[in-house]
Amino acid sequence: GAVVSQHPSRVICKSGTSVKIECRSLDFQATTMFWYRQFPKQSLMLMATSNEGSKATYEQGVEKDKFLINHASLTLSTLTVTSAHPEDSSFYICSAYSGLGGSYNEQFFGPGTRLTVL
Amino acid sequence: AQRVTQPEKLLSVFKGAPVELKCNYSYSGSPELFWYVQYSRQRLQLLLRHISRESIKGFTADLNKGETSFHLKKPFAQEEDSAMYYCALISFSGGYNKLIFGAGTRLAVHP
Repeated sequence: GAVVSQHPSRVICKSGTSVKIECRSLDFQATTMFWYRQFPKQSLMLMATSNEGSKATYEQGVEKDKFLINHASLTLSTLTVTSAHPEDSSFYICSAYSGLGGSYNEQFFGPGTRLTVL
Repeated sequence: AQRVTQPEKLLSVFKGAPVELKCNYSYSGSPELFWYVQYSRQRLQLLLRHISRESIKGFTADLNKGETSFHLKKPFAQEEDSAMYYCALISFSGGYNKLIFGAGTRLAVHP
């Protein structure tokens, strides 16, 4: 199956700094990628939908200026947590579509990035 | 509102026992439903989708539109089935297909 990678797998940063997380589709082109946030023992909450070459679509309640998303190419999307605070500590997961069009395309998930803000 | 409900946080069974992980949904129109599984220290992966009517690793799930349910079943649980299971549906919104996840159920299969 299609492979999605994330880098870094875990990051610890000081409060007030910015952190960039990369999501790559390794063996397929992904016009659409998704960013999720997962709190401990909770479900995945969709943060935003990222499309190559256009602005991301954010879910209600997600701060655009806080979580900057860039989808620079068909294989790379980045999430930047700006001016991070301890409450931003979480597990961030990306996913990518394997195909185009149709009523359904399987999403392939990355391994996640554990962010800890001190 | 589109919603997926998994009422059980934890389901604990012994090896060889039948398993049923419950999932109910709220969706206007014809839903597309999935079960995803996350084994310990591994990424989320698709287990099965209702449109395929398939059996994966002995698991099956039938869409019941009358009861708005999509319960996941396996007749004989194995220890390697221990994992987090998420029920999800596709929501077409804003031009994209988005997955809406339930809260998840942890299945613990004991020897």
